[in-house]
Amino acid sequence: GAVVSQHPSRVICKSGTSVKIECRSLDFQATTMFWYRQFPKQSLMLMATSNEGSKATYEQGVEKDKFLINHASLTLSTLTVTSAHPEDSSFYICSAGPLAEQYFGPGTRLTVT
Amino acid sequence: SQQGEEDPQALSIQEGENATMNCSYKTSINNLQWYRQNSGRGLVHLILIRSNEREKHSGRLRVTLDTSKKSSSLLITASRAADTASYFCATVPYTAGTASKLTFGTGTRLQVTL
Repeated sequence: GAVVSQHPSRVICKSGTSVKIECRSLDFQATTMFWYRQFPKQSLMLMATSNEGSKATYEQGVEKDKFLINHASLTLSTLTVTSAHPEDSSFYICSAGPLAEQYFGPGTRLTVT
Repeated sequence: SQQGEEDPQALSIQEGENATMNCSYKTSINNLQWYRQNSGRGLVHLILIRSNEREKHSGRLRVTLDTSKKSSSLLITASRAADTASYFCATVPYTAGTASKLTFGTGTRLQVTL
């Protein structure tokens, strides 16, 4: 099946700094990618829809100025967590798919100290 | 927003037994999908069932969909220890332009013991 990668897999940063997470579709082009956040033992919550060549669409309650999304090419979307706080510590997962079926990246574990 | 609820939240069975997980949702859907997640890992797509389908099989997996009750079930037959994971249902709304936007259920944590 299609492959989606994420980098880094784990990152630890200090409070107040920014962290960039990359999501790549390796063997297909993705005009749309999705970013999710998952807290321990909880389900995935959709944060935003990343659209190639246009602005991302954010879900209600997600601060677009804090979670910057850039989808500059058909195979790459980036999520930047700006001015990170400890409460931003979470598992961030992206997905993309050539059809209705979505392929998920392996996730990025963010820890803000 | 999270619209699906799954039950049970946790399920512990012995190897060889069947595992059944249920998912309920709230709005009209285009399709419903089941995913598996091993601890701390990404999600693996298991099966997709469209709103006009009632049952689907894939290997040891059987999925049913009842749109009148807005519910679905996932049956794993002859479970194995390697099936231990969290299982999530996810719905795609019946709305143009949101073909792949998934709303996840709360998940069922399955533990299969030897």
